[in-house]
Amino acid sequence: SQQGEEDPQALSIQEGENATMNCSYKTSINNLQWYRQNSGRGLVHLILIRSNEREKHSGRLRVTLDTSKKSSSLLITASRAADTASYFCATAQMNRDDKIIFGKGTRLHILP
Amino acid sequence: GAVVSQHPSRVICKSGTSVKIECRSLDFQATTMFWYRQFPKQSLMLMATSNEGSKATYEQGVEKDKFLINHASLTLSTLTVTSAHPEDSSFYICSAKTLASPLHFGNGTRLTVT
Repeated sequence: SQQGEEDPQALSIQEGENATMNCSYKTSINNLQWYRQNSGRGLVHLILIRSNEREKHSGRLRVTLDTSKKSSSLLITASRAADTASYFCATAQMNRDDKIIFGKGTRLHILP
Repeated sequence: GAVVSQHPSRVICKSGTSVKIECRSLDFQATTMFWYRQFPKQSLMLMATSNEGSKATYEQGVEKDKFLINHASLTLSTLTVTSAHPEDSSFYICSAKTLASPLHFGNGTRLTVT
């Protein structure tokens, strides 16, 4: 079963704008990860945030985690055409961090 | 960075035949490998978890006799789709990890069964 639910399912923004994607999950987790997938390719790991962390940055990426609300957000600042991809959150459950469950993903399209 | 090689990238086969997909960790030893299936514009559905030298753990609803997984070494896992049917057509992705790492993904295999 899928753990995470991203919203929106699809997002189109102008190049240069910021893109925000949200993810909600259901069970207690060890960590939450965000991945990116270009069409027809494998996934690329973007960032991992642990359950005791609230915010994390990596370049133009900013991830937040609210364990009380069981939600996370991914912000991409100053978007570029190359950011066009699908973005998935994934959670590792407590006591089962070998098992990663993916959300449904957000398809992000950056308009030139 | 860690590299996972998945082969073949595309395969077309006739209904009733079997297809083997390989997943190799090229520069690290993977304690665990995972096999996912992805339909168009959908998320990844975990099919099974594979640990070297032991039987794979299949997710509910995944037929273990249909999708044979072999994890013979710390760098190689194979998924064999047996007696393939058109409904098995999909994008199959493997991933690998060591104890303290995030997942590293192969580039996927597009299977088309005619």
